[in-house]
Parts: sequence; structure tokens; C-alpha cells
Amino acid sequence: DIQMTQSPSSLSASVGDRVTITCRASQDVNKYLAWFQQKPGKAPKSLIYAASSLQSGVPSKFSGSGSGTEFTLTISSLQPEDFATYYCQQYKTYPITFGQGTRLEIK
Amino acid sequence: EVQLVESGGGLVQPGRSLRLSCAASGFTFDDYAMHWVRQAPGKGLEWVSGITWDSGSKDYADSVKGRFTISRDNAKNFVYLEMNSLRAEDMALYYCVMGTGGYWGQGTLVTVSS
Repeated sequence: DIQMTQSPSSLSASVGDRVTITCRASQDVNKYLAWFQQKPGKAPKSLIYAASSLQSGVPSKFSGSGSGTEFTLTISSLQPEDFATYYCQQYKTYPITFGQGTRLEIK
Repeated sequence: EVQLVESGGGLVQPGRSLRLSCAASGFTFDDYAMHWVRQAPGKGLEWVSGITWDSGSKDYADSVKGRFTISRDNAKNFVYLEMNSLRAEDMALYYCVMGTGGYWGQGTLVTVSS
């Protein structure tokens, strides 16, 4: 199975900050990488697919990059509604696997 | 508007069975693979199973292989998850997911306890 490792596991930041979350795959997943945002009590929401393509309706403050085994999610100008947990997911190979999540908290 | 509505969750004793359903609407159902993803209380996301648009291929996480069966009915726009021999570790919120994750349902809660 492909292991997905996110760093950091948690992150404190202030409104207006720019933050970057890293996701590393144990094997090459090409660009078959997605990012999701989850708020407490809610279903995950798709942000990015194919490593860098923005899902329809998602603000351009979210951006993804990378290919192969290393990927990043960058959120610019943090707003209160951005504080949530973020997950990466590889869908190149079954079983589909997720990172452990990065909890983004308000400083 | 895409909608995925799960149902069928509930309280079940260990070793018993449960069938989850997901009603899909707002998109061309048979254009997409469908998946089930679960989330145990306070934990991360775990992919459970997936099925291609034509049911030609079905895949399962090792943790459920041999116990869970995914199926779909393209005429009714439903996807199902038949869960047998349930264990305490299967207790989770089960989400129905379209394609590569563009849309998720709100989930149905499965509680396994005696």
C-alpha cells in the first residue's frame, strides 16, 4: 500500500498568514493527488485534484503543487473559515490512501 | 445540484450485518466510479471500497476484504455497501463519495456494540 505522510500534523497560524502543508507519498503517485478540507461535524470538501487543479467553486487562495512523491497545499491570506483539518489522498493505486491529516488552528 | 444521501446506519451487535445505501442525484450516475470512505470517531479518513461505473471492478481495503461487498444499481442511481461480520473497529461514519472525491454525502453512522 502507498503510505501518505503529512507534515506538520498540526499548525497554528494567524488570520492573514500564508501556510503550506506538505504531503509525501511512499511511492510515485504521479499527479493522482487530491486535497480535502474538513470542518468539525461536516463532510470533507474537495479543494484540489490532480495535484494542482482547483475544484470548481474553491477560492484561488488555495493552491496545490507537486508530482511524484512530494506535494504541497498552500493557503494564502488565512481567514477564520479556513481553520480546519486538511487531508491529502492518493488515487493512483488501490487501496486509495489518505494522509493522517493536518489540523490548522488559530494562533 | 449533486446530492449523495446515505442511509442504513445504526446500532448493530458484533458479528451481525448491515446494508448501507447511497442515493445519488444531480449528475450522470453511470459516468462515475463510486466509493465508500469511513471515519471513526475522532480519527482520520479511511477508504473502504470502490466500484467502477459498470461494476466491472470492485476494490476493498484489506480491513474489510471478505466481509464487505460493494454494489450499484445504475437504473436506480444507488450504490450499496453490504457489511457482514461487523466488528467494533468498523464503528464509524460512512461516507458515499463520487468519483475522485468531488462530492461527498453527509454520512451515515454505524455503531457496533453489544
